[in-house]
Amino acid sequence: QKEVEQNSGPLSVPEGAIASLNCTYSDRGSQSFFWYRQYSGKSPELIMSIYSNGDKEDGRFTAQLNKASQYVSLLIRDSQPSDSATYLCAVNTGRRALTFGSGTRLQVQP
Amino acid sequence: EAGVVQSPRYKIIEKKQPVAFWCNPISGHNTLYWYLQNLGQGPELLIRYENEEAVDDSQLPKDRFSAERLKGVDSTLKIQPAELGDSAVYLCASSLGRRGLYNEQFFGPGTRLTVL
Repeated sequence: QKEVEQNSGPLSVPEGAIASLNCTYSDRGSQSFFWYRQYSGKSPELIMSIYSNGDKEDGRFTAQLNKASQYVSLLIRDSQPSDSATYLCAVNTGRRALTFGSGTRLQVQP
Repeated sequence: EAGVVQSPRYKIIEKKQPVAFWCNPISGHNTLYWYLQNLGQGPELLIRYENEEAVDDSQLPKDRFSAERLKGVDSTLKIQPAELGDSAVYLCASSLGRRGLYNEQFFGPGTRLTVL
């Protein structure tokens, strides 16, 4: 079992819709969680961090964390074509640096 | 504020040749990371530095890879000799290095290595 799992996609949503990206992790001791956006040929860009159960909102982005279910999600409201990218979920267990999932490719259709 | 700087951006070498990558972290960031990213995968940690000390190098293939961060700022990652399987993007990241787990990491643009 991978430590951090994501559906590779592609997840295709129409412009203006809500995109929902999901991530599960295996280490119950994980303490901090991050979402990175990576455009093709570019490096990962940090867009959200979340440390406690519940929701955290930043503009059109909402991160959701459920430690009991070992589940993290990212919602993107009013999706735009410029949101088309690969979204990487990353988890910090404290034993090492970040452990990344393989990413979910999001396509926003105009 | 300047971000993480890496050079070169691209490198093409023949197998068995040596190669080196350089990274300058965000000013004031004590923790520096080198990651490797293969196509279609997330980054994987190679080595982590706290100031000049390598505190996690368990995933670094030490027979051919080496790294240094002599003055606790810039870092160099070296491969000697390179193999075909080393073709990947090498990413450097940095964080403030505060105690605890809440360090947000910021990535440089990466070096895309192609070994022929």
